[in-house]
Order: sequence, then structure tokens, then C-alpha cells
Amino acid sequence: DIVMTQSPDSLAVSLGERATINCKSSQSVLYSSDNNNYLAWYQQKPGQPPKLLIYWASTRESGVPDRFSGSGSGTDFTLTISSLQAEDVAVYYCQQYYSTRTFGQGTKVEIK
Amino acid sequence: QVQLVQSGSELKKPGASVKVSCKSSGYSFTSYTLNWVRQAPGQGLEWMGWINTNTGNPTYAQGFTGRFVFSLDTSVSTAYLQISSLKADDTAVYYCARGGPFDYWGQGTLVTVSS
Repeated sequence: DIVMTQSPDSLAVSLGERATINCKSSQSVLYSSDNNNYLAWYQQKPGQPPKLLIYWASTRESGVPDRFSGSGSGTDFTLTISSLQAEDVAVYYCQQYYSTRTFGQGTKVEIK
Repeated sequence: QVQLVQSGSELKKPGASVKVSCKSSGYSFTSYTLNWVRQAPGQGLEWMGWINTNTGNPTYAQGFTGRFVFSLDTSVSTAYLQISSLKADDTAVYYCARGGPFDYWGQGTLVTVSS
């Protein structure tokens, strides 16, 4: 099974500042036949189901603000919130869908 | 609009069984796999497996074999998760989610196992 490891486990960022979350997979999730990275990012707020933010590592889901961006390829990926807003306080998860499905352990984002 | 609506919270005693439903609407039910995800209290997301809504063939993640059964009733666009021989550490919110990546989620069903 592919293991997904996120870092850090938590971070505190000032409003308007950048937040960066890293995700590393134990093997590549880049599918050579279509050149897509099978990597998604989710946001989960307390008491709510997760919400899909990014798929194919860098494609924003419809309606997701453009302050959220995803990057990376192969085994190393990053979710960036360019200017943190109060409503972005949440836990963020990466997920690979290259081989069955696996989530990272989550990163809690708070306001400093 | 696409919706996945799950059944309500359950309180069960150890050793009992529970069946959680996930009713889909707003799309062609058999066009997407249906996944199940567990979230224990204060913990992260754990993929339990999926069911192929065309064939009914389930795939279970490691740790979710034996007591866990995925099933379908395509006539009512509904997927089911049945857990038998419940234990206290099965206490969790169980989500259904469509596809891969998971673009739509159910609201979650809290299953509490307590004597």
C-alpha cells in the first residue's frame, strides 16, 4: 500500500500570510500513460465532511478560491494557501488515488 | 444536484451489528464507484474500501476485512455498509464518498458502540 505522510502535523499562520503543507508518498503517484499525478487535497472543518479542494495535484475544484493551489509531482506535493483567511481554519488531508486510496494523517491549520 | 444522504446516528452494544445506508441522487448511480471512509473521534480519515456500482464487486482495505460488508441496491441508488460483531473501537463517523477523487460526500453517520 502507498503510505502518505504530511508535514507538519499542525501550523499556525497569521491572517493574510502564506500557509504551506507538504505531502510525501511512499511511491510515485504519477501515472506515465496519462502524465497525471493521482493526488488530491481535502479540507475538513469541525463537524463537516471533507471537501475536495484540489485533484490531479494542481487542478482546483469548481468554486474553490484561487488562494488555494497545489503543486508537485511524483512523490512530493505541496498545498499552499497564499493568504490565510479566518474561514481556512481546518484540517487538510492529502490523498492518493493511484492505487486504491490512502489519506495522509492530516495537517491542522490555525490562526497565529 | 448531486447528493449523498446517509442514515442517522446509531447506538449499539458490543457484539451487535449495524447497517449504514448512503442514498445517491442527482447523477447516474452506476457511473461512479462508491467509497466508505471511517473517522474515529479526534482522528484522521481512513479509507475502508469501495464498491463497484456496476458489478457490485467490493474491495476492502487492510483492516476492514471479515466484519465489514459493502452492498448495493441499485434500484434505489443506495449503498450499504454493514459492520458485525461491533467493538468499542468501531465507534466513529462513517462517510460514503463518490468516485476517486472523492468529489461528493455524505454527511456522515455516527456509530457509537457502548455497553
